[in-house]
Amino acid sequence: NAGVMQNPRHLVRRRGQEARLRCSPVKGHSHVYWYRQLPEEGLKFMVYLQKENIIDESGMPKERFSAEFPKEGPSILRIQQVVRGDSAAYFCASSPEENSPLHFGNGTRLTVT
Amino acid sequence: GESVGLHLPTLSVQEGDNSIINCAYSNSASDYFIWYKQESGKGPQFIIDIRSNMDKRQGQRVTVLLNKTVKHLSLQIAATQPGDSAVYFCRNNRLAFGKGNQVVVIP
Repeated sequence: NAGVMQNPRHLVRRRGQEARLRCSPVKGHSHVYWYRQLPEEGLKFMVYLQKENIIDESGMPKERFSAEFPKEGPSILRIQQVVRGDSAAYFCASSPEENSPLHFGNGTRLTVT
Repeated sequence: GESVGLHLPTLSVQEGDNSIINCAYSNSASDYFIWYKQESGKGPQFIIDIRSNMDKRQGQRVTVLLNKTVKHLSLQIAATQPGDSAVYFCRNNRLAFGKGNQVVVIP
């Protein structure tokens, strides 16, 4: 079984552009989580989705950030009008149910120039 | 607010020695804890978990101890190897992660 697949691995955007980060969960997993990590820091929770529904978005910035997990296809984390402070590693994880270990992808490293 | 945090930022350990990483939590309602390992350039990987009805669980070379009285858990790695060099995170059944503890294995 393939693990969590994230693409692109590296993404460079200029200030003001849009960034779209994709995540394909482990086959059969219906729970998806997005985390953000800055260098030398821990993982900051952003959003938790369960097929077509946002369950918890308490970690998402109120503006410019959105996430979706459609019935078909990967989960998408979208950042509009990126700023330099958005530069970070964004990790996606999936799980088959709540309260089970998360399976992480290897992240997308976003650099805003 | 709720916090899940680690005591020591960096642990240097000689190859072959045992490592102990500590983690404190604040939410008494937490009933499930997980340890993850993150190597450089990679996503976190599940190591071991423990439910609150247990105080100890063993895996291959790793042991997790849970002390609910003082809201503390630890991860013990036996006979530490160079491949154990990584950042270790603890997490409860909420969505937050602790900051992480760097383990550096000295050959």
